[in-house]
Amino acid sequence: EAQVTQNPRYLITVTGKKLTVTCSQNMNHEYMSWYRQDPGLGLRQIYYSMNVEVTDKGDVPEGYKVSRKEKRNFPLILESPSPNQTSLYFCASKSADSYNEQFFGPGTRLTVL
Amino acid sequence: DQQVKQNSPSLSVQEGRISILNCDYTNSMFDYFLWYKKYPAEGPTFLISISSIKDKNEDGRFTVFLNKSAKHLSLHIVPSQPGDSAVYFCAASAYAGGTSYGKLTFGQGTILTVHP
Repeated sequence: EAQVTQNPRYLITVTGKKLTVTCSQNMNHEYMSWYRQDPGLGLRQIYYSMNVEVTDKGDVPEGYKVSRKEKRNFPLILESPSPNQTSLYFCASKSADSYNEQFFGPGTRLTVL
Repeated sequence: DQQVKQNSPSLSVQEGRISILNCDYTNSMFDYFLWYKKYPAEGPTFLISISSIKDKNEDGRFTVFLNKSAKHLSLHIVPSQPGDSAVYFCAASAYAGGTSYGKLTFGQGTILTVHP
């Protein structure tokens, strides 16, 4: 089954404790992206990757890091989480041939205390 | 600056009637528009899209209309069904330099409730 998976689905942590949210897709997609969803703001792009070893900032990259060492994986790293990073996070992927119909993962609910 | 706006946070419709969800945008560089549907505890799923060279695209019960001069698009669902109850996001992208960068700019979302 074609899918984007994220882990963990739910995470409660404390300020300053480094964490990684994993994202993996099995569709051989070149493009991957991270979004956060906040009430009243919709989804906003954090980082994206056009292909392996190619990443760039989205609209709200502050406080986040990403890496793309393999085509299927695109982890999101919070080196020192803060309460304002409490949010619902989505990973998405798409084929380079697709115009813009992105496939989304199920989401990761993160709470930073 | 919210470049894509969905001004109605919620919409309630009776089963069998038409649902109309609206979306406005400000960036004239946007040339491709999409609607996504999101159920609780799931990721958004692609519903329908439209290129700026068209003013209408239809897929079964779902039709998207684009009015470029007004920078407005709408999603019509006819007839509405209880299973359509979800959050609907409109999104827009700009196709730059022969490459689709994949950046989607989303609206805030509209919660649609279809009553039996």
